[in-house]
Amino acid sequence: NAGVTQTPKFQVLKTGQSMTLQCAQDMNHNSMYWYRQDPGMGLRLIYYSASEGTTDKGEVPNGYNVSRLNKREFSLRLESAAPSQTSVYFCASSQTDSNQPQHFGDGTRLSIL
Amino acid sequence: EDQVTQSPEALRLQEGESSSLNCSYTVSGLRGLFWYRQDPGKGPEFLFTLYSAGEEKEKERLKATLTKKESFLHITAPKPEDSATYLCAVIGGSNYKLTFGKGTLLTVNP
Repeated sequence: NAGVTQTPKFQVLKTGQSMTLQCAQDMNHNSMYWYRQDPGMGLRLIYYSASEGTTDKGEVPNGYNVSRLNKREFSLRLESAAPSQTSVYFCASSQTDSNQPQHFGDGTRLSIL
Repeated sequence: EDQVTQSPEALRLQEGESSSLNCSYTVSGLRGLFWYRQDPGKGPEFLFTLYSAGEEKEKERLKATLTKKESFLHITAPKPEDSATYLCAVIGGSNYKLTFGKGTLLTVNP
């Protein structure tokens, strides 16, 4: 039972490069989320998708775009990477977005030089 | 705006020495309070959900309690494998977004 799977696990980019972080869940959850985790800042919501076909901005959406490809998959794209986007990125999913617990993947560690 | 404050930031215990972690929250209409455990290099692992004041949940050496303003995670006779960062998060009635505290780093020495 894989739960939430994120790829890649590690990535190094140069400033200005683009990339897409992939996330897939096998729990038949409706809602999916992208967070970033930085030292001293805690987990902050970038974007979320309450259900297939919908996306909405979170606390720190600037510089990112998302695509809810289907019920299982939710991708995060950095169009022009900046050093300030160096972080650990986590994808999560939950049955609904109201009051159900979110389940997390093991993250993508992204460094931008 | 929902706010979550966890204390202490770090806690060092001897094996078997029981203690509690605190999570204070400010939210408009609590929909749920969540406790997670995070090991280095891993994502947060879900532990408990609490929905209303007075509710308690237990799992092995961990017990979570909830009041109208705070939650406690009690750790009874901890073992070194309980060492991790413990995160608290809330969902309020004004939105459906999870707001996290910054966590408590627990170290249990043998």
